[in-house]
Amino acid sequence: QSVLTQPPSVSGAPGQRVTISCTGSSSNIGAGYDVHWYQQLPRTAPKLLISGNSNRPSGVPDRFSGSKSGTSASLAITGLQAEDEADYYCQSYDSSLSGYVFGTGTKVTVL
Amino acid sequence: QITLKESGPTLVKPTQTLTVTCTFSGFSLSTSGVGVGWIRQPPGKALEWLALIYWDDDKRYSPSLKSRLTITKDTSKNQVVLTMTNMDPVDTATYYCVHRPAMAAADNWFDPWGQGTLVTVSS
Repeated sequence: QSVLTQPPSVSGAPGQRVTISCTGSSSNIGAGYDVHWYQQLPRTAPKLLISGNSNRPSGVPDRFSGSKSGTSASLAITGLQAEDEADYYCQSYDSSLSGYVFGTGTKVTVL
Repeated sequence: QITLKESGPTLVKPTQTLTVTCTFSGFSLSTSGVGVGWIRQPPGKALEWLALIYWDDDKRYSPSLKSRLTITKDTSKNQVVLTMTNMDPVDTATYYCVHRPAMAAADNWFDPWGQGTLVTVSS
């Protein structure tokens, strides 16, 4: 059972901006633990997209950005492209579980 | 370049024990701060963290599955093994092996991931 809550789906036309929320609690995001984001293209393994709330690994386009505030975090995709159609997951650490937690996942559809 | 690859059975029967092996390259599991973990994903569902083993042999498990999981490492072979007892059809999932970067903080990310191995539990 996922501890972090994400919208099941978001969609947008090419070129538009979409955002994905990740809502946690006082034992994970609200406790100050970092949030990381992964992109999972169809039939492939997840890939790190954003680390430490807002850092893009080498090779990740700058149209992907992350932020965190309180008990929530967000991933924004600007200039949406067809290749961005994928599932996106947030991840953090939970002190009450003493372990890692993932979001419920969000499917991004490019109209 | 860091790579990880999972191996193991594609089909296990209910009540059996699953053993999956992660063979990695490009890093050493004896380097301070480094870890290797396991994450699974049932078909069409979300990711679930299972276990993590650190360079110093410290081990962490998902609380909900702790009684069924064992993670071990063989540093000389660059391998990490996960066993899960009493398998059930609900354990049908793709099992991923992941690299934990060398860092002190607990709230680390996982990068990269192995390609995953699909394990089906059925009689």
